[in-house]
Amino acid sequence: GAVVSQHPSWVICKSGTSVKIECRSLDFQATTMFWYRQFPKQSLMLMATSNEGSKATYEQGVEKDKFLINHASLTLSTLTVTSAHPEDSSFYICSASKTGLWEAFFGQGTRLTVV
Amino acid sequence: GESVGLHLPTLSVQEGDNSIINCAYSNSASDYFIWYKQESGKGPQFIIDIRSNMDKRQGQRVTVLLNKTVKHLSLQIAATQPGDSAVYFCAETLDKAAGNKLTFGGGTRVLVKP
Repeated sequence: GAVVSQHPSWVICKSGTSVKIECRSLDFQATTMFWYRQFPKQSLMLMATSNEGSKATYEQGVEKDKFLINHASLTLSTLTVTSAHPEDSSFYICSASKTGLWEAFFGQGTRLTVV
Repeated sequence: GESVGLHLPTLSVQEGDNSIINCAYSNSASDYFIWYKQESGKGPQFIIDIRSNMDKRQGQRVTVLLNKTVKHLSLQIAATQPGDSAVYFCAETLDKAAGNKLTFGGGTRVLVKP
């Protein structure tokens, strides 16, 4: 199978602090991983494309200095929400694909609540 | 400000009946389409996919239909079960060279009544 794991599953942080979310492909290597954000009762919105060994590509309207992405290995990408504010509270989901294949495998998501 | 799509469309279906979920996609150049199921608090789960060179594909209890002329995708679930209650999203890939960068549709909530 192809398993993508996110950690933590949920996190509560104080406004102004930073939070790191990890996305790991457990049994395959992923050159590219994607980060999505999902607000309640809404669809998934792509935030950025994370490429191993290079800078992430951000979608229009996503602040790269606020949402720091690091893809240091073929099995791990991290998303750091810096100086989090209540409006950053959301469900963050990553996906990864096996090289050369179409299918994307999603993590279980991380619920971020900023208080 | 208020966001579009705060209320997902809901399909209520009796257990055992067939469900049809529709999706309009945006880009006629999209080459690959996928249906995902998302249960509350979880990530999307792959259901079935279809390439643009096909118009129908069947899986176990599910069928996806693609009409490129009107840019329409549908998911049919046969003999809907309580475990099928979830939100269903269609997704499209615009460019194979971009890997699996997906654009998601708005989603439909399916409620299965016992």
